[in-house]
Amino acid sequence: DTAVSQTPKYLVTQMGNDKSIKCEQNLGHDTMYWYKQDSKKFLKIMFSYNNKELIINETVPNRFSPKSPDKAHLNLHINSLELGDSAVYFCASSLPLIRPSSGANVLTFGAGSRLTVL
Amino acid sequence: SQKIEQNSEALNIQEGKTATLTCNYTNYSPAYLQWYRQDPGRGPVFLLLIRENEKEKRKERLKVTFDTTLKQSLFHITASQPADSATYLCALENSGNTPLVFGKGTRLSVIA
Repeated sequence: DTAVSQTPKYLVTQMGNDKSIKCEQNLGHDTMYWYKQDSKKFLKIMFSYNNKELIINETVPNRFSPKSPDKAHLNLHINSLELGDSAVYFCASSLPLIRPSSGANVLTFGAGSRLTVL
Repeated sequence: SQKIEQNSEALNIQEGKTATLTCNYTNYSPAYLQWYRQDPGRGPVFLLLIRENEKEKRKERLKVTFDTTLKQSLFHITASQPADSATYLCALENSGNTPLVFGKGTRLSVIA
């Protein structure tokens, strides 16, 4: 009954490989996100999808490609992994980003996926 | 440039005291300000939200204030307990439909 679940929780791989992280939410939210938390614990937005459509792409290298097969899933595929990609990647979801101004954007996060590139 | 700064990277306090964490921002016009708690190895968990036209919000032992003139929010935990030890993140949501932007967090340690 986990609200936002990510797999895998840990991922160790070699430089140059391609890997994917999967995310699913059962909250009925329309908007999903990927955030990256680096070694300094800074949590930075990467992508936002609303109902399967890309809304926000925050200057992320095009080696990162999100895919949303339906509004409950947002997967992150990373090509040609680099050392600097090592971080914890968090998936999150919220009620619609596009909403009346009286609504707030409260996020529910997954537990994170720790990626280590060797 | 836009900045969100949380006063200190780490804060140690004695059990039973009030912990006060600070979040300052520059070049934002937030419609909302939120506070999250993050435990090691877990994702952030939402605690409280305060709107730009609200001065204060409370929830049990937690209190948040929001001063849009000073561009600052204070987060208080009264009667702190060791179980309150965690990293606390403030997050801003600008006017309009923009994603949450997070500060770097303050790691709070409550010592018994």
